This record gives sequence, C-alpha cells and structure tokens, in this order.
Amino acid sequence: DTGVSQDPRHKITKRGQNVTFRCDPISEHNRLYWYRQTLGQGPEFLTYFQNEAQLEKSRLLSDRFSAERPKGSFSTLEIQRTEQGDSAMYLCASSLVRAGIYNEQFFGPGTRLTVL
Amino acid sequence: DAKTTQPNSMESNEEEPVHLPCNHSTISGTDYIHWYRQLPSQGPEYVIHGLTSNVNNRMASLAIAEDRKSSTLILHRATLRDAAVYYCILRDHNKAAGNKLTFGGGTRVLVKP
Repeated sequence: DTGVSQDPRHKITKRGQNVTFRCDPISEHNRLYWYRQTLGQGPEFLTYFQNEAQLEKSRLLSDRFSAERPKGSFSTLEIQRTEQGDSAMYLCASSLVRAGIYNEQFFGPGTRLTVL
Repeated sequence: DAKTTQPNSMESNEEEPVHLPCNHSTISGTDYIHWYRQLPSQGPEYVIHGLTSNVNNRMASLAIAEDRKSSTLILHRATLRDAAVYYCILRDHNKAAGNKLTFGGGTRVLVKP
C-alpha cells in the first residue's frame, strides 16, 4: 500500500500523560498536514510542513502540541499533558506541490485519541 | 477563507443520481471549489475541483453556477459505497502558503438500497 499511513490507529491515555503519533506520507510528497476532527465536525487544520520546515501553525495548536518532520519524510505529533478536550481523531495528509500541478491532499486513516 | 453552506444531510436511493448543493456567495475570483468526501471510519478523500467550467471525472460531476456563488456535486448513480459526508471547500490557489483545507460541517449522504 503506497498511501498515507498513521500509527497508532487508536490510543487511550490518562489525563496528564504525553502521547506521540506518527505519520508516513506518500513517498514523493513534499507537503505534510495535520488536522484534528472531533465527533460530528469536519476536520480542522493544525499545522503543515514543506519538506522539513514547519510553515504554518493554527491557533488550535497550543503550547502542549509539537510537530516535527525531521528529514522531510515522516512526521510526529506530540501532545504533552493531555486533557480530555484533546480527545479527537488526528488526521495526517500529504500532497505534492509543484508549479502548475494541483496538489490534492491524500489523507491517512487517522489516529483516534481518547483521554480518560 | 471564504465560507460555504451545505445541507446537513440528504437521502438517496441506490442507482439514482444525487445532487449535492453548496452555496458560497462570498467566493473570490481566485477561489477554486473543491469537494472531498469522508467515508465512515476513514480520512477524507478528494472527489473533484473546478474554477468556472463544469467538470467531470470518474467519481462525479461538478456544476458551477455562472456567477460562481453556488455549485452542485452530482453523483450520477449512487451506490451504497457512496454513503459518506461530502465537504464543499473553497481554496485560493494563488495563496503561496498553506493550501490548507478549511472544512465545514459537510452533507451526510445516506443511500438506501
């Protein structure tokens, strides 16, 4: 399978714990996005990378959240001191940005986080 | 990003066409109209996009009003596998940064056998 993969698919944690999610984009894609989706709502943008550079962060991304894409390939999203309000589906997407080519985003299956 | 308005839900019978409306009265000249859908327990997937002219692909057709203030996604023959939430999204292709997608609530499509 050459699509976007995310790991783990499900994570249950206790309030106050740290969690880390991983996203592996489609191999030649230079852009990687993170979104969050709560029940019954559409996904909300969190942040995105162009290669290894983090170029935009949403106001939703509080200081407890950090994302990295160290070698411009896979990315990690860490949430420190989790709160119950962090419970959501965390979606990763990737796209290829090249002049003149529309860069549709390809989404992974998501990581569902439950904070008890 | 400009806002879109969609009905919360629509029902269709299998094998019949589905017309999903989207209003975007504040669309700007450089906004493209994109549609993504999200099947149950999956991430969203791209369906189609357009600027001014109607567009067709293997999944659907996109009909864009002449004033571009509304559009309609057409699924020509709905199948049970088309049951999903469909999102209409405006995206400015001229913006150098981001290209992030701003999702609204979408339309939940139910397909009855």
